Amino acid sequence: EAGVAQSPRYKIIEKRQSVAFWCNPISGHATLYWYQQILGQGPKLLIQFQNNGVVDDSQLPKDRFSAERLKGVDSTLKIQPAKLEDSAVYLCASSFGRSRTDTQYFGPGTRLTVL
Amino acid sequence: AQSVTQPDIHITVSEGASLELRCNYSYGATPYLFWYVQSPGQGLQLLLKYFSGDTLVQGIKGFEAEFKRSQSSFNLRKPSVHWSDAAEYFCAVGHYGGSQGNLIFGKGTKLSVKP
Repeated sequence: EAGVAQSPRYKIIEKRQSVAFWCNPISGHATLYWYQQILGQGPKLLIQFQNNGVVDDSQLPKDRFSAERLKGVDSTLKIQPAKLEDSAVYLCASSFGRSRTDTQYFGPGTRLTVL
Repeated sequence: AQSVTQPDIHITVSEGASLELRCNYSYGATPYLFWYVQSPGQGLQLLLKYFSGDTLVQGIKGFEAEFKRSQSSFNLRKPSVHWSDAAEYFCAVGHYGGSQGNLIFGKGTKLSVKP
């Protein structure tokens, strides 16, 4: 079974530029998550989708971050404009559902460096 | 508010020695607890999880964890560490309320293994 795919793996941009990350979840998984992992910290949830609808985006900085999952499969996370503090690893995860019994499977992440 | 504390930022053990990684949580209801491992350049992999029942939980790669409600702890253990166990370990509590179903992570403990 293929895992969660993410691209690109690494991205370096200058502040005020825009960037987009792509995630393809495990086939059949309805729930998709984007986490931000700043160096030295644990992952923090940014946004959660159930199929193509947003379930929780309470921690997403909506003035600069946006995300979509138009067809309920793959997803894109965008930052525009980027700030220095956005330097982090962006992890995508997916699960069959969003109950406690549904294990979240994580992709390898995209490491973003903002200069 | 829900939170997870991992008191040890970095631990070094000798290969073959036993290991215990500490995790304390704060959660108002029955906690659903997880341990994930993250190797360099990799996504997070689930080691084990606790939902209910037996408080000693067995996981993959020879790991186990014990849930102690009185101490609000969920410590991870392994009787004999292998060099390949060097990685970062994250404890998480599952937050399932209303429409939400996501993980709240600790800051992680980095494990180094001496030959």
